[in-house]
Amino acid sequence: QVQVEESGGGVVQPGRSLRLSCAASGFTFSNYAMHWVRQAPGKGLEWVGVILYDGSNNYVADSVKGRFTISRDNSKNTLSLQMNSLRKDDTAVYYCAKGGRWLQSAIDNWGQGTLVTVSS
Amino acid sequence: DIQMTQSPSFLSASVGDRVTITCRASEGISTYLNWYQQKPGKAPKLLISAASTLQSGVPSRFSGSGSGTDFTLTISSLQPEDFATYFCQQSYSISFFGGGTKVEIK
Repeated sequence: QVQVEESGGGVVQPGRSLRLSCAASGFTFSNYAMHWVRQAPGKGLEWVGVILYDGSNNYVADSVKGRFTISRDNSKNTLSLQMNSLRKDDTAVYYCAKGGRWLQSAIDNWGQGTLVTVSS
Repeated sequence: DIQMTQSPSFLSASVGDRVTITCRASEGISTYLNWYQQKPGKAPKLLISAASTLQSGVPSRFSGSGSGTDFTLTISSLQPEDFATYFCQQSYSISFFGGGTKVEIK
């Protein structure tokens, strides 16, 4: 069945960098857009960004633009989120999630999330 | 950016109640509106896509409607396992989530 599993979370100091990874299985990874969504403690869902099925384009939320970069390796079925210049308000559970073939499709499978804590 | 306003943010209901949650987009999004359910400590789960398409395995007591700017999620007869937080999401232009509606037991 479809599985996505995040890794790489942890505690990081403000201003530092962290890279999250997501391993996908159970579907043809190269056929689907992939998203990152985050959820701060006790808060709602915040869409972080998306990358097209072939990696040709990606989009990120204004709140992380210029600091976060999404990439994918279709040969390894992996998705990455490079997070630079981290701030305290980036503290959240980060979910890797499978979209559809097109950007406008719903997010139909989610990982269990990885916690990123930005703290000095 | 297209913003999503979800209401109410909290509702208290009893088993068997009919529950309606609304989501309003700041501009028209056709039917690019999805609904998710999230239980504490768990990842969200897609319930309804494209405003009204029920996902496989989701009970038929859940339904969605709307187009343009106004959308609703209805639970026809609330069950104990439905107590959770519900989020709408627009996928018309990049993506934004509504603020969520927490459904609690009265």
